[in-house]
Amino acid sequence: QSVLTQPPSVSAAPGQKVTISCSGSSSNIGNNYVSWYQQLPGTAPKLVINANNKRPSGIPDRFSGSKSGTSATLGITGLQTGDEADYYCGTWDSSLSAGVFGGGTKLTVL
Amino acid sequence: QVQLQQWGAGLLKPSETLSLTCAVYGGSFSGYYWSWIRQPPGKGLEWIGEINHSGSTNYNPSLKSRVTISVDTSKNQFSLKLNSVTAADTAVYYCARGNRTAMVRVFIITGYDYYMDVWGKGTTVTVSS
Repeated sequence: QSVLTQPPSVSAAPGQKVTISCSGSSSNIGNNYVSWYQQLPGTAPKLVINANNKRPSGIPDRFSGSKSGTSATLGITGLQTGDEADYYCGTWDSSLSAGVFGGGTKLTVL
Repeated sequence: QVQLQQWGAGLLKPSETLSLTCAVYGGSFSGYYWSWIRQPPGKGLEWIGEINHSGSTNYNPSLKSRVTISVDTSKNQFSLKLNSVTAADTAVYYCARGNRTAMVRVFIITGYDYYMDVWGKGTTVTVSS
């Protein structure tokens, strides 16, 4: 059971927008920044968002992030088939003194 | 361009010790938190622990009794040992570079910006008798 809660799956058509939620508590999301990772099949995770809403170099502006209270959201606009992947949220948990992840959300681009 | 290269035994028997090493190429070794994350087949990511260049560690409470992460700054390498493995430890193990910046307000740390920006390719470890 993951510390952070994500929906198991989301889907949308090419060109559309999708959002993925991540819920936590005051000890993790509530008081720390959130990061998001994209994992394409058979590959290592890749950072797409850090500090709640910052895109690392090379990540297209179709990817966005936001945080409110103890929840965070990843948004992807202009969906492409290449965006099909598992997406994970992550943050620091101040009570555990440990990194924590969500259970992952499988994005299907129909 | 920082790269992480990891290696270690891929097949273990129950009760043996898992041992993996990750080498850091092309960047500074200090100022980061060198981390291990694992992913069981078909499941999500699990954070195992981290170490900085000074040897300070943090571990996942659920694994703490069996895990040791160490660092060799002369070689820019860090290692993971997980003892008394069982089939439940079968997973792909990743090493990663962690960044953790404290957010300070009036001299008090109010939280952290924490993320992993460079990952190794992963090592598949199977525990089977």
